[in-house]
Amino acid sequence: QLQESGPGLVKPSETLSLTCNVSGASIIRSSYYWGWVRQPPGKGLEWLGSVHYSGSIYLNPSLKRPVSTSVDTSNNQFSLKLTSLTAADTAVYYCARQGMIFGFDPFDIWGRGTMVTVSA
Amino acid sequence: EIVLTQSPGTLSLSPGQRATLSCRASQRIRSNYIAWYQQKPGQAPRLLIYGASTRATGIPDRFSGSGSGTDFTLTISGLEPEDFAVYYCQRYGDSPLTFGGGTKVEIK
Repeated sequence: QLQESGPGLVKPSETLSLTCNVSGASIIRSSYYWGWVRQPPGKGLEWLGSVHYSGSIYLNPSLKRPVSTSVDTSNNQFSLKLTSLTAADTAVYYCARQGMIFGFDPFDIWGRGTMVTVSA
Repeated sequence: EIVLTQSPGTLSLSPGQRATLSCRASQRIRSNYIAWYQQKPGQAPRLLIYGASTRATGIPDRFSGSGSGTDFTLTISGLEPEDFAVYYCQRYGDSPLTFGGGTKVEIK
C-alpha cells in the first residue's frame, strides 16, 4: 500500500514537500521505480518523476523548474519537492509504483492521492 | 515528447452497449508500450491494460485493447454500471512518460 502525506495548503512561490509511505513491501526491492503523478481539478494526469532506491532519478522535463525526488530507505518512504509554486500546481498528487521490466512499466499500485491547494 | 490524443472526449452509452475508445500517438510507439487506466470520481487510476492488449491482474475480459504503431483502441464489450468512468491511455517504457487527455464514458 502507498499513502501520500502533504501540507494541503501552500502559498505561492513556496516549496511543496510530499511524502509517500510504502507499507507491505520494502522500498529497496531493486525491481521497482517509485513515481509521482498529479491531476489538477477536472483535468488529466501528468507524470512528475520517478526514483529508484539506488538514487536514480527521472524527472519530467516539461516542468521546467527545480523538482526533486528521493528515497528514505530507513523509513520505507519516498518524497517529492516542487519549488516556486503557482496556482497551476493546485492538484491531487498521487504516488505510485512501477516495475522495470519494460524500462519504466505502467503504474500498477497507486496511493489514494493528496489534494494540494496553492493559495495565499 | 510523444503526445497522446484520446477521442472522443465523452462517450454517452447505455449499459450493455459496446464502448470503443481511441488513443492516437504523435509518433510510433515502441513495442506497443501503451497502457490504459480507469478512473472513477475521487479514486486513483486503476491499471486495466498494458502492452496495448494484455489485461492486468483481475481485470474482466470484457475489457480488451488493440492497436499498434500510432493507433490504439480500448474496447469494453457490454458496459456494466461500474464501467462508467474516465479512461486514460499512457505511453511507458522510457522518459518522459505521457498520458492522453482522457475519455469519459457516461450513462446515456
